[in-house]
Amino acid sequence: EAQVTQNPRYLITVTGKKLTVTCSQNMNHEYMSWYRQDPGLGLRQIYYSMNVEVTDKGDVPEGYKVSRKEKRNFPLILESPSPNQTSLYFCASRALEVGANVLTFGAGSRLTVL
Amino acid sequence: DQQVKQNSPSLSVQEGRISILNCDYTNSMFDYFLWYKKYPAEGPTFLISISSIKDKNEDGRFTVFLNKSAKHLSLHIVPSQPGDSAVYFCAASAKFNYGGSQGNLIFGKGTKLSVKP
Repeated sequence: EAQVTQNPRYLITVTGKKLTVTCSQNMNHEYMSWYRQDPGLGLRQIYYSMNVEVTDKGDVPEGYKVSRKEKRNFPLILESPSPNQTSLYFCASRALEVGANVLTFGAGSRLTVL
Repeated sequence: DQQVKQNSPSLSVQEGRISILNCDYTNSMFDYFLWYKKYPAEGPTFLISISSIKDKNEDGRFTVFLNKSAKHLSLHIVPSQPGDSAVYFCAASAKFNYGGSQGNLIFGKGTKLSVKP
């Protein structure tokens, strides 16, 4: 089944404790992206990647890092989480050919930073 | 500044009636528009899209209308069903390079649709 898999689905952590949210897709998609969803703010893009070793900032990259060492994986790293990073996070992917703008999303990772 | 706006945070409709969700955009470079549907505890799922070369696209009970001169699109659901209750996100992108982010989707804030039996 074609899918985007995120882990963990739920996480409660404390301020300053480094964490990584993993994302993996099995569709051989070049493009991958991370979004966060907050009440009243909708979906905001954190980082995206056009292919292996190619990453770029989205609208809200502060406090986050990403890496794209393999095509299928795109982990989101919070080096020193803070309470304002409490949010619902979504990873998504799509192919890069012209017109293929339909993103496939993962089920989401709900992060709480105390 | 918001490039994709969904000005109605919520909408309540009776089962069997029409649901109309609206979306406005400001960037004239956008030429591809999508609607996503999101249930609680799930990721958004693609619903329907429209290219700027068209003004209407239909898929079963769902129709999207695009008015380029007004920079406005709408999603019509007819007839509405209780299972349609979800948050609907409008999204837009420019197919070609724009600001170095080719094809990046810009999302609105979403509209929560409630369809009452």
